[in-house]
Amino acid sequence: EAQVTQNPRYLITVTGKKLTVTCSQNMNHEYMSWYRQDPGLGLRQIYYSMNVEVTDKGDVPEGYKVSRKEKRNFPLILESPSPNQTSLYFCASSFQAGGHTGELFFGEGSRLTVL
Amino acid sequence: GQNIDQPTEMTATEGAIVQINCTYQTSGFNGLFWYQQHAGEAPTFLSYNVLDGLEEKGRFSSFLSRSKGYSYLLLKELQMKDSASYLCAVSLHGSGNTGKLIFGQGTTLQVKP
Repeated sequence: EAQVTQNPRYLITVTGKKLTVTCSQNMNHEYMSWYRQDPGLGLRQIYYSMNVEVTDKGDVPEGYKVSRKEKRNFPLILESPSPNQTSLYFCASSFQAGGHTGELFFGEGSRLTVL
Repeated sequence: GQNIDQPTEMTATEGAIVQINCTYQTSGFNGLFWYQQHAGEAPTFLSYNVLDGLEEKGRFSSFLSRSKGYSYLLLKELQMKDSASYLCAVSLHGSGNTGKLIFGQGTTLQVKP
């Protein structure tokens, strides 16, 4: 089954404790991206990757890191989480960044709470 | 800057037609997407427009006017299951904005019996 898998789905952590949210897709997509969704602010892009070893900042990259060492995986790293990073996070992938094959396939989301 | 505007909430009656508008002002444009998101779930793709005009797909249609920076999503024969948030998103791929996708805040549609 074609899918984007995120883990963990739910996490409560404390300020400063490094965490990683994993994202894996099995569709051989070149493009992957991370978003956070907050009430009243909609989906905001954190980082994206056009292909292996190619990553770039979205609109809200501060406090996050990513890596793309393999085509299928795109982990999101919070080196020192803070309460303002409490949010619902979505990973998404598509065949390419834009055009008719730019349709995004989303993971189920990871709800993160930082105390 | 980049700006996408949608109404926050809309209400419509089962069986009716509803139009959800989206206006955008972005530095670059490579296409416009509409996604549907039910409460507690991930967004799912509805439509993509890159040229001016209407794209029809079953009960859903999407329109784009690039000169006006305007799009709308038209939902016909509304069903209760259409109650969801509808997200407008502009692809900035190319034009120095490679890979960026900007979402509007979303429009929450409530369908009433």
